[in-house]
Amino acid sequence: QKEVEQNSGPLSVPEGAIASLNCTYSDRGSQSFFWYRQYSGKSPELIMSIYSNGDKEDGRFTAQLNKASQYVSLLIRDSQPSDSATYLCAVLRGSTLGRLYFGRGTQLTVWP
Amino acid sequence: AAGVIQSPRHLIKEKRETATLKCYPIPRHDTVYWYQQGPGQDPQFLISFYEKMQSDKGSIPDRFSAQQFSDYHSELNMSSLELGDSALYFCASSSGTGQHEQYFGPGTRLTVT
Repeated sequence: QKEVEQNSGPLSVPEGAIASLNCTYSDRGSQSFFWYRQYSGKSPELIMSIYSNGDKEDGRFTAQLNKASQYVSLLIRDSQPSDSATYLCAVLRGSTLGRLYFGRGTQLTVWP
Repeated sequence: AAGVIQSPRHLIKEKRETATLKCYPIPRHDTVYWYQQGPGQDPQFLISFYEKMQSDKGSIPDRFSAQQFSDYHSELNMSSLELGDSALYFCASSSGTGQHEQYFGPGTRLTVT
């Protein structure tokens, strides 16, 4: 079983809709959670970090964390075609020194 | 804002050759991480350095070695290259270890023929 699991894609939403991306993790001691966006052939770009239970909003993005359920999600409001990319959930476990564990990613397509 | 710099951006090598990848972290970042991403795969952690000392080691082959220098830049040395080493190699940097956010460089695309 992979350390970090993401909902299987691809996910396709119309422009202006809300895209919902989900992620679960196995290590209950995990401390920090990140969402990266990766365009094909490019490097992962950090878009959100969250450390405490609850919601964190940044512009059109909202990250949600529920440590009891070992669940992280990312909501993208007013989705744009430029949001079309692969979204990687990454988790920093409590027992490691900064090594990130990634999910396989969810490919999002926003169609006009 | 300054970002992580990696060189070269593209590298083509033949089997059994050696390759050296370089990474220059964001200014004032003291921690460097190396990740390997194969086609259609998620990034896999290789190794990390904090204040010029190895801080963690992942699934890095014995044929690979790395170090961090006094100016905090890092080099990943790869020997006896195999076809399976063809991948994107990313360097990321952060300020300290722990919760600190990691910022990725543009990557080096290594092709082994």
